[in-house]
Amino acid sequence: KAGVTQTPRYLIKTRGQQVTLSCSPISGHRSVSWYQQTPGQGLQFLFEYFSETQRNKGNFPGRFSGRQFSNSRSEMNVSTLELGDSALYLCASSLQGQALDTQYFGPGTRLTVL
Amino acid sequence: AQSVAQPEDQVNVAEGNPLTVKCTYSVSGNPYLFWYVQYPNRGLQFLLKYITGDNLVKGSYGFEAEFNKSQTSFHLKKPSALVSDSALYFCAVRRSSGGSYIPTFGRGTSLIVHP
Repeated sequence: KAGVTQTPRYLIKTRGQQVTLSCSPISGHRSVSWYQQTPGQGLQFLFEYFSETQRNKGNFPGRFSGRQFSNSRSEMNVSTLELGDSALYLCASSLQGQALDTQYFGPGTRLTVL
Repeated sequence: AQSVAQPEDQVNVAEGNPLTVKCTYSVSGNPYLFWYVQYPNRGLQFLLKYITGDNLVKGSYGFEAEFNKSQTSFHLKKPSALVSDSALYFCAVRRSSGGSYIPTFGRGTSLIVHP
């Protein structure tokens, strides 16, 4: 079974631009979560989608948004990029997003904001 | 609020020696606990999890972890370290019931295995 895939793997943007990241979950997984990983803050939860609905949201500004499609693929959008948005963005999928479900992570998208 | 502490930023061990990466947690109710490993420029890979039952959990690549409810700990262990085990290790906790199931991750522990 194919793992979680994320595209693109690397992105370089400038301040003020916007960016869209894509995540394809493992086949059959309906829950997709997004995380931001930085050296200073570690792994921070952005949001979780299940059946095309945002079910949970972390403490990030409204510039960060996402959506999920009927095939469970998910996209994350960041508008008006800031230098501090430079990070590794990780997507994780699980069957139902329940507490005991294992999350499987993609390789991440490395975003650099100049 | 739930939290995870990984008290050591870095653990150094010689190849062939046993290794321990420490994790303590705080959560309301019963915890579900996870260990992940991250290699450079890669996402997190699942190692093992504790849901219920036997306090000693065996996982991938020869790793195991021991759940200790009284000490609220879930330390990761391996009897004989390999150089290829060098990576960043994350502990995570989720509450088993009530509220959201968003996991909380520790800050990570860098394991360095010396030849």
